[in-house]
Amino acid sequence: ILNVEQSPQSLHVQEGDSTNFTCSFPSSNFYALHWYRWETAKSPEALFVMTLNGDEKKKGRISATLNTKEGYSYLYIKGSQPEDSATYLCALQGGATNKLIFGTGTLLAVQP
Amino acid sequence: NAGVTQTPKFRVLKTGQSMTLLCAQDMNHEYMYWYRQDPGMGLRLIHYSVGEGTTAKGEVPDGYNVSRLKKQNFLLGLESAAPSQTSVYFCASSWELAGGNQETQYFGPGTRLLVL
Repeated sequence: ILNVEQSPQSLHVQEGDSTNFTCSFPSSNFYALHWYRWETAKSPEALFVMTLNGDEKKKGRISATLNTKEGYSYLYIKGSQPEDSATYLCALQGGATNKLIFGTGTLLAVQP
Repeated sequence: NAGVTQTPKFRVLKTGQSMTLLCAQDMNHEYMYWYRQDPGMGLRLIHYSVGEGTTAKGEVPDGYNVSRLKKQNFLLGLESAAPSQTSVYFCASSWELAGGNQETQYFGPGTRLLVL
């Protein structure tokens, strides 16, 4: 069974701080890496899908990088705002069926 | 467009009762999925479908059955509910993969199920 790990489990930062968290996955079974943002009482929403080693994607203040050889991805948030508070999930797509293996997420709380 | 919808939003069952959760999507997606979310665990795939009339087992299929009679609907059934099936259930859908593409999954709002 493929294992996707995220760290830290939770993170508390002050408004304006920049932060980052990690998603680790087995590099031998890589097809794509997905990042989702999940606000409390809402549905997970897609942030990025990354496929190529060295990929870097950006959406506003949020960006992500991918290293498929060593099996990790970083998610960065620059100048955190209270509305960034959410759980950030990564998911490994291990093949061409689009089945995803999710990590347990990093819960980010941004205090004003 | 409503996107992905799920009914009911919340349900309480007694052990041994049966129920069906309905997922509907209006995006003409080919693929649909059922996940469960439990504390301390990531979303785990129960069953999925790659097209109307097809279903396949995911990571945790035991105790569940599914059907995809219409492209827009994906039903998850519990024939004899057990307390271990207390969870939050999420449905998702996506475009079909073509030529090595990766497709984002779009999630419904979830169904909270409590089995006593």
